[in-house]
Amino acid sequence: DVKVTQSSRYLVKRTGEKVFLECVQDMDHENMFWYRQDPGLGLRLIYFSYDVKMKEKGDIPEGYSVSREKKERFSLILESASTNQTSMYLCASRRTGEGNQPQHFGDGTRLSIL
Amino acid sequence: AQSVTQPDIHITVSEGASLELRCNYSYGATPYLFWYVQSPGQGLQLLLKYFSGDTLVQGIKGFEAEFKRSQSSFNLRKPSVHWSDAAEYFCAVDITSGTYKYIFGTGTRLKVLA
Repeated sequence: DVKVTQSSRYLVKRTGEKVFLECVQDMDHENMFWYRQDPGLGLRLIYFSYDVKMKEKGDIPEGYSVSREKKERFSLILESASTNQTSMYLCASRRTGEGNQPQHFGDGTRLSIL
Repeated sequence: AQSVTQPDIHITVSEGASLELRCNYSYGATPYLFWYVQSPGQGLQLLLKYFSGDTLVQGIKGFEAEFKRSQSSFNLRKPSVHWSDAAEYFCAVDITSGTYKYIFGTGTRLKVLA
């Protein structure tokens, strides 16, 4: 079974802090993704990475950056946290190839910015 | 532009009743289609996927979905709902075409009455 592990289930930070969300997958997947989930808006893609050191902006990258130094790990960075970044953050991974490869999700990190 | 619509935000059914959750997509080619379920406080779990072949696909937990090209729909069904099916359900389209991206619907929250 694919395992996608997010380092924290709940996180509370203060405005202006630099925040790191970590995600590790154990299936040697090439593609990794960061989403945020907000009520009524579904899942929105922040960034994705299709291989080590490769990254692409998603639909809402402003205020975020990412790092993929190793294949198994994909980090989301909030450069200077703001209250509007309070949300549920979901990481996913996927084997590259045709579109029938599903994305596998972690359990999410619920982040509160005070 | 590509889009996924889940017209029902909330659905309430009685335990033992049948269920149909609607999903419509807008995409030029035949897409890869997925249904995910999210239990409270959890990540997304893949229920089923369609990418070619038989238009009726079977998934886990007794769910099935039917792809109808003429209606651009991929509705999720279950003949008899259990209380444990209460969750949020997301339809997703993979428009990989080199972008590795899903488009998610905004979700349908299912409530099951005992």
